[in-house]
Amino acid sequence: GAVVSQHPSRVICKSGTSVKIECRSLDFQATTMFWYRQFPKQSLMLMATSNEGSKATYEQGVEKDKFLINHASLTLSTLTVTSAHPEDSSFYICSATGQSYEQYFGPGTRLTVT
Amino acid sequence: AQTVTQSQPEMSVQEAETVTLSCTYDTSESNYYLFWYKQPPSRQMILVIRQEAYKQQNATENRFSVNFQKAAKSFSLKISDSQLGDTAMYFCAFMKDGSNYKLTFGKGTLLTVNP
Repeated sequence: GAVVSQHPSRVICKSGTSVKIECRSLDFQATTMFWYRQFPKQSLMLMATSNEGSKATYEQGVEKDKFLINHASLTLSTLTVTSAHPEDSSFYICSATGQSYEQYFGPGTRLTVT
Repeated sequence: AQTVTQSQPEMSVQEAETVTLSCTYDTSESNYYLFWYKQPPSRQMILVIRQEAYKQQNATENRFSVNFQKAAKSFSLKISDSQLGDTAMYFCAFMKDGSNYKLTFGKGTLLTVNP
């Protein structure tokens, strides 16, 4: 089946710094990628949708200047959390779709901001 | 906007028994897809089963089957012969056809399979 990887799996950063999370589709071309945020014992909250070569579409309430998303190629999307604060600590999950409607999920990244 | 409701925050079942997880959704669309995802403690999202709304036949994947009632907007998941490895959060999800593949998730049901 289709595989999506995320890097890093865990990251700790200091308040005020920026951190980048990578999402890669390993064996298919991802025309659309999604970024989710998940708090403990809660559901996935969609942050943004990105299509290769175009600007990401952010969900209501998600700060686009804080969560920068780049989908520069058909196999890579990145999420950069800028000027991170402790309240940005969370589990971030990406997913990707190719030619079918099925979404393939990455294993997630745990971000801790100290 | 679409909404997905999972009314059972937690459920438990004995190993080898059968359990049914409930999901209802609200939409005015006629073409859509429904999914059940499993999220074990590793937190990797795993697709369990999917259903196309235009198909009347209920989807089945080995021990997992759904009861899709389109008029009632209900999409329950039945797990037969429950195994310890089925312990996980289960999320019901809705995707509108032509929505750029966006998923709307329910809040999830934590299923515990007891030995």
